[in-house]
Parts: sequence; C-alpha cells; structure tokens
Amino acid sequence: NAGVTQTPKFRVLKTGQSMTLLCAQDMNHEYMYWYRQDPGMGLRLIHYSVGEGTTAKGEVPDGYNVSRLKKQNFLLGLESAAPSQTSVYFCASSYALGLGTYEQYFGPGTRLTVT
Amino acid sequence: AQTVTQSQPEMSVQEAETVTLSCTYDTSENNYYLFWYKQPPSRQMILVIRQEAYKQQNATENRFSVNFQKAAKSFSLKISDSQLGDTAMYFCAFMSFTTSGTYKYIFGTGTRLKVLA
Repeated sequence: NAGVTQTPKFRVLKTGQSMTLLCAQDMNHEYMYWYRQDPGMGLRLIHYSVGEGTTAKGEVPDGYNVSRLKKQNFLLGLESAAPSQTSVYFCASSYALGLGTYEQYFGPGTRLTVT
Repeated sequence: AQTVTQSQPEMSVQEAETVTLSCTYDTSENNYYLFWYKQPPSRQMILVIRQEAYKQQNATENRFSVNFQKAAKSFSLKISDSQLGDTAMYFCAFMSFTTSGTYKYIFGTGTRLKVLA
C-alpha cells in the first residue's frame, strides 16, 4: 500500500495564480483532511470530508476550496494565491467514526511558496 | 471551544535519558481521545500513542508512555531510553465527536525534541 500520497511535493506560485493539490489514499478511509503547517502554529485544519461527495470547513477555510468526487481522492484548490498561503500543506485520512483507532494517516506534505 | 496547549517549544535530552513532553487541553466533553504524533525531519507524521479518555490506565507503547490526568486535563508523553531517532517534532492532538454530529480533531503547536549523542 502506498498509504497517503500528495502531488506535487513542491510548488512556487505567483500572487493571483491558481493551483490544485491532489491527495490520494488507498486505505479505503472514509474521512480525509487538509491541514496547513506554519512555524509556531502547529497544524490547522482547512477543510475535511466525511465521505465521497461531502466536504466541511475547518478552522482556516478562507481562500481554499475542496472537492471529494471519489472516495480515494481529496483535492485542495487555491483560486487566487496570496503570499499568506505560503505554507506546508498536509493531507490526512482516517477511518469513519466507530471504526478503527481514530488515528490519522498523513501524506508527506506539499511545500507551497507564493511570491 | 477545545484547545490544546504545548508549552515547551523546544527540548533536548541526552541519548539514553528520559524526557517528558507536556500537553494540556481544555474541553467540556467527557468522551474524547488524545494522541501524540511524531514528525521527524523527513516530515511524514506518524502516530506514537493514543489514549481513550474513558480508560484510567495510562497507555504505553514500548519506550513511550503517557501520564493522563483527566481531572487536570493533562496528557504528557514520556520517552524512556531516548534514541537519536526520536529527534522530531511532537504534536499532541485531541479528538471528540458528539451524537449531534460535531467532530473535532485539534493539534497543539508542537514541541521540537532533539536527542543529543
């Protein structure tokens, strides 16, 4: 199993450009998450999904959109990138409530720089 | 609102020694789960240990153990016989869900641990 994979690993954008980050998991997890990690601020939840076709806002959703068209994929979009979105982005997945240990499985991260 | 606080931004420990990382949280819920995750310099985050709030017994995983004090809302991680491979950022996390559908998974700001040879 590959676990959780993220594409791309690195990206540099100019202010105003758009891009999509792809997260894929092969563990048949119902739940998927997108976080951003900034120095001194830990992990902050952007959006999450509790199943195919459903998404919900997390702690810092502004400036981002997500889609979960397939159970195994969770896409994070930046419509108009801003320097404040420079960060490391992590995707994670987990089993649904009532199943498993509630552990989140993380991808390797995407380092995004907006200039 | 739930919060998770890690008051030690950085710590260091000599190889083979014991170190304790602290974590406190705030919640009004009775049923929840607590976790410690490790993020090595390679950045892939992995679970170290978990604790169910309804269990009084502290969780242990080999050299890793927790001191869970529910009344004090404290959840510290003890690493015994520290190894160089334990050098990483450690995150404390809180998870809860309610019958009304409210689901929360909150991470602390992390403690950077360096094991010295």
